[in-house]
Amino acid sequence: DAGVTQSPTHLIKTRGQHVTLRCSPISGHKSVSWYQQVLGQGPQFIFQYYEKEERGRGNFPDRFSARQFPNYSSELNVNALLLGDSALYLCASSLSHGGRNQPQHFGDGTRLSIL
Amino acid sequence: TQLLEQSPQFLSIQEGENLTVYCNSSSVFSSLQWYRQEPGEGPVLLVTVVTGGEVKKLKRLTFQFGDARKDSSLHITAAQPGDTGLYLCAGRNSGNTPLVFGKGTRLSVIA
Repeated sequence: DAGVTQSPTHLIKTRGQHVTLRCSPISGHKSVSWYQQVLGQGPQFIFQYYEKEERGRGNFPDRFSARQFPNYSSELNVNALLLGDSALYLCASSLSHGGRNQPQHFGDGTRLSIL
Repeated sequence: TQLLEQSPQFLSIQEGENLTVYCNSSSVFSSLQWYRQEPGEGPVLLVTVVTGGEVKKLKRLTFQFGDARKDSSLHITAAQPGDTGLYLCAGRNSGNTPLVFGKGTRLSVIA
């Protein structure tokens, strides 16, 4: 079975541009979460979606937005890119929303570089 | 804001040595997870602990959740080069809250 897949794997943009990152969860998983991992840091939570609704939002500016589609895949959009947005963007899927024992399965991320 | 502090930040040891890495917080967590991340890949879940004082073993890896559910440790016995990677701890303060990650411990095991 395929794991969490993210595209593209690498992306180079310039300041001010916008970007769309894509994520396909594991088959049967209905919850998708997005994280930003800056070099040398742990992942930082951006959004969680479950059943196409936003269920959680981290401390990120409104330039960051996301959505989840009927097939449970998800997109993360970032507008007006800044140099500080350079990071590895990780998507994680889980069967459902919530539950302290709920494992999250991560994709290999999209490496975004802003010039 | 809940914070998870991991120590040490970096660790370089010889093959066959034992090591322990720590994950500490001033907050109580309902559950805590340990992940390992290798370059160019996403984090891979190693274990979830949910009960204070719980100990779980995964081959040469032993995970412990503190009695007060504020801290955790990961002990590796007879480390091997394949154990090299970034070890991340992540906690939830309740079932529906997002994971909070520490900054990780970067382990290098030299043959």
